[in-house]
Amino acid sequence: GAVVSQHPSWVICKSGTSVKIECRSLDFQATTMFWYRQFPKQSLMLMATSNEGSKATYEQGVEKDKFLINHASLTLSTLTVTSAHPEDSSFYICSATSESTDTQYFGPGTRLTVL
Amino acid sequence: QKEVEQNSGPLSVPEGAIASLNCTYSDRVSQSFFWYRQYSGKSPELIMSIYSNGDKEDGRFTAQLNKASQYVSLLIRDSQPSDSATYLCAVNQFYFGTGTSLTVIP
Repeated sequence: GAVVSQHPSWVICKSGTSVKIECRSLDFQATTMFWYRQFPKQSLMLMATSNEGSKATYEQGVEKDKFLINHASLTLSTLTVTSAHPEDSSFYICSATSESTDTQYFGPGTRLTVL
Repeated sequence: QKEVEQNSGPLSVPEGAIASLNCTYSDRVSQSFFWYRQYSGKSPELIMSIYSNGDKEDGRFTAQLNKASQYVSLLIRDSQPSDSATYLCAVNQFYFGTGTSLTVIP
């Protein structure tokens, strides 16, 4: 149980385009979902926290207008990287928790490359 | 700013040996501590969590927490080549260290 999926697993896009990444909890209701970014050889950095039906809470230094997060249902959250640039190339990972546990269940990650 | 520090390694141990991974943190009021394993190109997998001072054992893994010293460690007994990965320490769920790369030599 407690499976989280992400789609796509990797994406290559041109500079200036927008990319949407989906995060789904497959067998539980995710009251809270989290989005992280990880650059090579670096730590996971929390970008934002989203609760179903409410606006996401962004960490300091993360541009909310550039990284749009939608958590429209208890099983789906999306991250849209708008007007992507090469410096946005990174590994984006989502995680989810349920009401019954504070354990984070991580998705497999999405590798974004912006040309 | 909450900081979580880990020795980046690489740490190499022979198969069957004990691997010792360390983590220090700056936020004195931290309450929860997690160890994750991350293979290259993959997302983290939870190994174990610890909330109270002392040791917590789960199979070949033992987490040790010392809140007074702001220190948490992970011991891996009988290390296997499949344990070769980067080990991430996380404090209060969301604050991750940069990880320690472990290589277990057959």
